[in-house]
Formats: sequence, C-alpha cells, structure tokens
Amino acid sequence: NAGVTQTPKFQVLKTGQSMTLQCAQDMNHEYMSWYRQDPGMGLRLIHYSVGAGITDQGEVPNGYNVSRSTTEDFPLRLLSAAPSQTSVYFCASSYSFAIYPLAGGSANTGELFFGEGSRLTVL
Amino acid sequence: SQQGEEDPQALSIQEGENATMNCSYKTSINNLQWYRQNSGRGLVHLILIRSNEREKHSGRLRVTLDTSKKSSSLLITASRAADTASYFCATVRVYNNNDMRFGAGTRLTVKP
Repeated sequence: NAGVTQTPKFQVLKTGQSMTLQCAQDMNHEYMSWYRQDPGMGLRLIHYSVGAGITDQGEVPNGYNVSRSTTEDFPLRLLSAAPSQTSVYFCASSYSFAIYPLAGGSANTGELFFGEGSRLTVL
Repeated sequence: SQQGEEDPQALSIQEGENATMNCSYKTSINNLQWYRQNSGRGLVHLILIRSNEREKHSGRLRVTLDTSKKSSSLLITASRAADTASYFCATVRVYNNNDMRFGAGTRLTVKP
C-alpha cells in the first residue's frame, strides 16, 4: 500500500494564479481532510470529507475549494492564490477517530494517516 | 481556533533523560491523540487515549489524561537522539466527531 500520496511536493505560484493540490489514498478510508501548517501555528483544518460526495468546512476554509467524487481522491483547489496561502499543506485520511475491532482480529486505531506534505509558496 | 496547546514550545535534553510534554485543550473530547513529526515529513500517530481513560502506555511512551483539568501529558522515557522531532496533541471533540484539531506542538531535541 502507498498510503496517502500528495502531489506536487513543491510549488511556486504568483498571486492570482490557480492550482490544485492532489491527494489520493489506497486504504479505502471514508474520511479525508486537508490541513495547513504554518510556523508556530500547528496544523489547522481547512476542509474535510466523510465520504464520496460529502464535504464540509474546517477552521480556515476561505480561499480553498474541495470535492470528493471518489473514495480515493480529495483534491484541494486554490482559485486565486494569495501570499497568505504560503504554507505546507497536509492531506490525511482515516477509517474513523474511534477505536473499534476489525475483521480478522485487528483493530482500528482511530488515527489519521498523513501524506508527506506539499510546500506551496505564493509570490 | 486551535483546540490544543502544547507546553513547552521547545525542549532540549540529553540522551537517556526523560522528556515530558503537556497539552491543554478547551472543549469536551472523545479522545486525545499524540503525533510525532520529523523535520520535513508528515505526522505519524503515536498513541490514543479515550476520555474515560487516565493513563496509557506504549513502549517508552506514557500518556496521561485529566479531563477535569482538560490536560494531557506525554512522557518519553530513556530518550534517544532519534526521538528528536516535533510532538503534537490532537483532540476529537464530543460535539463534532468529524474533525481533529491540533496544537502548535513541542519541538524536542535530544542531544547525543
């Protein structure tokens, strides 16, 4: 399994340009989310999805759009990039935030699985 | 707003010493999780503690939770240079089970 895959890893944009950060997971997770990480701010939730066709806003949704047409993919779109959107973006996925038994004797650990991040600079 | 706040912001210790990081949060939670982030990498889950649990162990990690004080601590015993990383607490709130909120993190440096 590849886990959570983000592309691109690095991107430089000019103010006003648009772009899409891609996120794909191969773990059949229903839950997917996008965070941004800024120095001294920790991670802040942008948008999340609890399944295909369902999305919702997090703490800092302004300036970002998402869609969830398949279970595997959760792209993040910047329609008109601004310097304030310079950040490192992380996509994450999960079965559930609860611990519960799974078939075969294993258990869901309630954790989020993260991608390696996409570093975006807006000039 | 962020749900969790870690303390201290940065911690520097010698190899073999114990490291303690604290986390405070604001609203009622279902569970609290700790994550580790190596420089330039994504976060990796360490341990989850439920709201009805007070203490949990995993290898050299010990997590405590005090829901009356809305706080948690992560203890790493017998630290190693490889433990150098940032550590974040994250909470799943009672009234919104669909998002996880993170604190600003503690930067731990373990000197060999």
